[in-house]
Amino acid sequence: GQNIDQPTEMTATEGAIVQINCTYQTSGFNGLFWYQQHAGEAPTFLSYNVLDGLEEKGRFSSFLSRSKGYSYLLLKELQMKDSASYLCAALDSNYQLIWGAGTKLIIKP
Amino acid sequence: ETGVTQTPRHLVMGMTNKKSLKCEQHLGHNAMYWYKQSAKKPLELMFVYNFKEQTENNSVPSRFSPECPNSSHLFLHLHTLQPEDSALYLCASSQGTSGNTDTQYFGPGTRLTVL
Repeated sequence: GQNIDQPTEMTATEGAIVQINCTYQTSGFNGLFWYQQHAGEAPTFLSYNVLDGLEEKGRFSSFLSRSKGYSYLLLKELQMKDSASYLCAALDSNYQLIWGAGTKLIIKP
Repeated sequence: ETGVTQTPRHLVMGMTNKKSLKCEQHLGHNAMYWYKQSAKKPLELMFVYNFKEQTENNSVPSRFSPECPNSSHLFLHLHTLQPEDSALYLCASSQGTSGNTDTQYFGPGTRLTVL
C-alpha cells in the first residue's frame, strides 16, 4: 500500500534549526509537497520538490531523495510563529496526493 | 488568506439534522476538492470536481452528498451523520484538472461536531 511517515511531534527552541523528516512509499512518484497548518487554519503551501536536491526559500528549505523515498523540511532561525503542524504529501503515478498525518512543531522560547 | 473561503467555520448538529457546508474559491481555478481531517490522521480525500464534473468519490458514505454548481462554488450536504463523522472538513482548489502537479489551495475548514 501507499504510505507516508513523519514524526508526530517535535520540539525546538526559538532561533534554532529543526529538520522534519518524511519518508514515502507510493505507486509511482510525481513530486512531494510540504504544507504548513496553524491550529484552526487552512494548510498553506510551502514547497514542491520533484527533482533530487535541496530547494531553499528564505528560512525554509526542502530536500528530496527519490532513490531513498525521503524528504525533509529544514526550518532555520526558528520563530514562535513557526509553531504549527507540517504536512508532507506525495503525488503518486495517478497524480493523487498521499498525505502524512502531519508533524506538530512546538517552539519554546 | 488563501483565496478559498468556507462557511460555516463551526457547526454542531444532531444525527437527524440536515445541514450544508459551503466553499467558494476566488482564484479562477477549475478543480475543487473536499477533504476530511481527523486528529492525528492523514487528510482523507472525499470528492474531486473538475470543471463542475465529479471525478473522484473515495467510497464516501451516501450521507455525504457533494454539489458543484459552477467552478467557483462547492457544497457538501450532510444528513443523518454519525458521531464518528465529527472532524474538520477542508475544501481546496487547484488550477488544472486531474493529472497534473498543480498546488492545491485550502480553505480554513469547517469544524463539525455530530452529537
